[in-house]
Amino acid sequence: EPEVTQTPSHQVTQMGQEVILRCVPISNHLYFYWYRQILGQKVEFLVSFYNNEISEKSEIFDDQFSVERPDGSNFTLKIRSTKLEDSAMYFCASKKSDGGTNEQFFGPGTRLTVL
Amino acid sequence: DQQVKQNSPSLSVQEGRISILNCDYTNSMFDYFLWYKKYPAEGPTFLISISSIKDKNEDGRFTVFLNKSAKHLSLHIVPSQPGDSAVYFCAASLSGSARQLTFGSGTQLTVLP
Repeated sequence: EPEVTQTPSHQVTQMGQEVILRCVPISNHLYFYWYRQILGQKVEFLVSFYNNEISEKSEIFDDQFSVERPDGSNFTLKIRSTKLEDSAMYFCASKKSDGGTNEQFFGPGTRLTVL
Repeated sequence: DQQVKQNSPSLSVQEGRISILNCDYTNSMFDYFLWYKKYPAEGPTFLISISSIKDKNEDGRFTVFLNKSAKHLSLHIVPSQPGDSAVYFCAASLSGSARQLTFGSGTQLTVLP
């Protein structure tokens, strides 16, 4: 069964460093998302991406964040200058189409630790 | 911002019995609701969903009920199995193309053998 994959599974970085989190969505899916979950808190929406551009973004997704689909398979989240509060699980998700349903399929997540 | 609420952080049920997980929402514009299951160190796994035009959707052992007037939905699992032990998240979305999910805080279900 096709699945969303994410790399790395765990990323440790120093405050102020740039990180890139990578995702390979399910191949025939058209909508792509990033969510995050800070330890002990809810899963929160960051950004959605469709047709090579951002569709929606939350207030968390400030100028330090960017997303890209550099080729036909990868979807990346870049954090330019990491802060301690960016430590969280980051989940990529994808959705096939907008046919009236909204089932989004999630990857296993990348645990980001900012020291 | 508590648009989607799961008021029970945990629930324990005996194997073979029914598990009922509850979720409330405040935004009447939500038109699609989903349940996800999550094991530690894994991503959320889609379980079942329901559109606001329905009040019930069933898939095997899982049934979701939607009460729009009460802004309440529930997930029934019957019979419960030890492998169902996980955190269950309720999520909701508005209409529109990208349709971000708004999650509840989750309920830890433990099914006792």
